[in-house]
Amino acid sequence: QKEVEQDPGPLSVPEGAIVSLNCTYSNSAFQYFMWYRQYSRKGPELLMYTYSSGNKEDGRFTAQVDKSSKYISLFIRDSQPSDSATYLCAMSASLTGNQFYFGTGTSLTVIP
Amino acid sequence: DGGITQSPKYLFRKEGQNVTLSCEQNLNHDAMYWYRQDPGQGLRLIYYSQIVNDFQKGDIAEGYSVSREKKESFPLTVTSAQKNPTAFYLCASSTFLGRGNEQFFGPGTRLTVL
Repeated sequence: QKEVEQDPGPLSVPEGAIVSLNCTYSNSAFQYFMWYRQYSRKGPELLMYTYSSGNKEDGRFTAQVDKSSKYISLFIRDSQPSDSATYLCAMSASLTGNQFYFGTGTSLTVIP
Repeated sequence: DGGITQSPKYLFRKEGQNVTLSCEQNLNHDAMYWYRQDPGQGLRLIYYSQIVNDFQKGDIAEGYSVSREKKESFPLTVTSAQKNPTAFYLCASSTFLGRGNEQFFGPGTRLTVL
């Protein structure tokens, strides 16, 4: 079983829709959860960072972590064509371990 | 302007050649990483380094080598022993914040074997 599972999509939505992206994981030691956005042929850029359980909101983006279910989500409200990219989830266990585990990425297209 | 730079952006290699990919950061981060990204496979860790003059193998280190002589620099050499080197290579760095760590990526190098 992979450490992190992510549905690769592709996901296609109309402009203005609410998008839900999800990852599941198997390692209960993970405490740090990140979402990256990667445009085609570019490096990933950090979008959201969450420690432990709970929600975090930043503009149109909301990250949720449910450690009891080992499930994390990224919601995008009022989606825009510029949100079209691949979204990667990532997580790590500790301050000192310093290894990150990535999902395979979900490809999102927002249609104008 | 802090960040991570990778060079070159595109690199072509002939069979049997070694090539070195450059990664430099001015973020004063302690840890640096090299990943390989292939379509449909996500990011796979090649090597990582937490401090100068120390590094550890990741999941797919065979055919690769690294050095960490300076905090700012973490070059990756793709040797002729790497059987399928064509891929997108990403360098990243991270620091320890108060409650955790965040990883930041460079723009990547696309390596193609001719």
